[in-house]
Amino acid sequence: ETGVTQTPRHLVMGMTNKKSLKCEQHLGHNAMYWYKQSAKKPLELMFVYNFKEQTENNSVPSRFSPECPNSSHLFLHLHTLQPEDSALYLCASSKGQDSNQPQHFGDGTRLSIL
Amino acid sequence: RKEVEQDPGPFNVPEGATVAFNCTYSNSASQSFFWYRQDCRKEPKLLMSVYSSGNEDGRFTAQLNRASQYISLLIRDSKLSDSATYLCVVGYSSASKIIFGSGTRLSIRP
Repeated sequence: ETGVTQTPRHLVMGMTNKKSLKCEQHLGHNAMYWYKQSAKKPLELMFVYNFKEQTENNSVPSRFSPECPNSSHLFLHLHTLQPEDSALYLCASSKGQDSNQPQHFGDGTRLSIL
Repeated sequence: RKEVEQDPGPFNVPEGATVAFNCTYSNSASQSFFWYRQDCRKEPKLLMSVYSSGNEDGRFTAQLNRASQYISLLIRDSKLSDSATYLCVVGYSSASKIIFGSGTRLSIRP
């Protein structure tokens, strides 16, 4: 029912693995976002893409690498993650990057680093 | 001081009660305001935008007080299904930036 689809829903990986999170939106939006949500903490914005171009990188470590091939798809490539990277990773989209536009979220990927 | 602050709760109220919580923001240049709800282990979902004149959607009423820099959410005739975390979101057009609060946990008991 959600217009923003994330896969996988759950991911368990070792610190030396490489994996990717995928997000797809079917809402015709032009802006897409990656957020991290750790327990008892507010949502932390990681990256923003507007019309496929990265417009914000919120001082995210290089072990997280985003990719936006088009306005409908967003990936987050992961490698050499740390245990503290275990969290819920949420993708969102909005019509534009204008802060007046509400964001629509995917179900999230729950990531556990062993 | 945090840019967006919310009382974390939990607010524990009986079904049918009216409950209200506030969210304060520090930047007077803030221009857009939203309330989202987030159920346990689920994604945030837009509940309502908050307009300058205040707005109502069924049992939910949102208000904006620019002078005191806070927004509020009032829930009347609360239902068990209203149990969730309510996130306050504040946007700054000049920076195309939005900030999420940490959320207020609401628990409705039978």
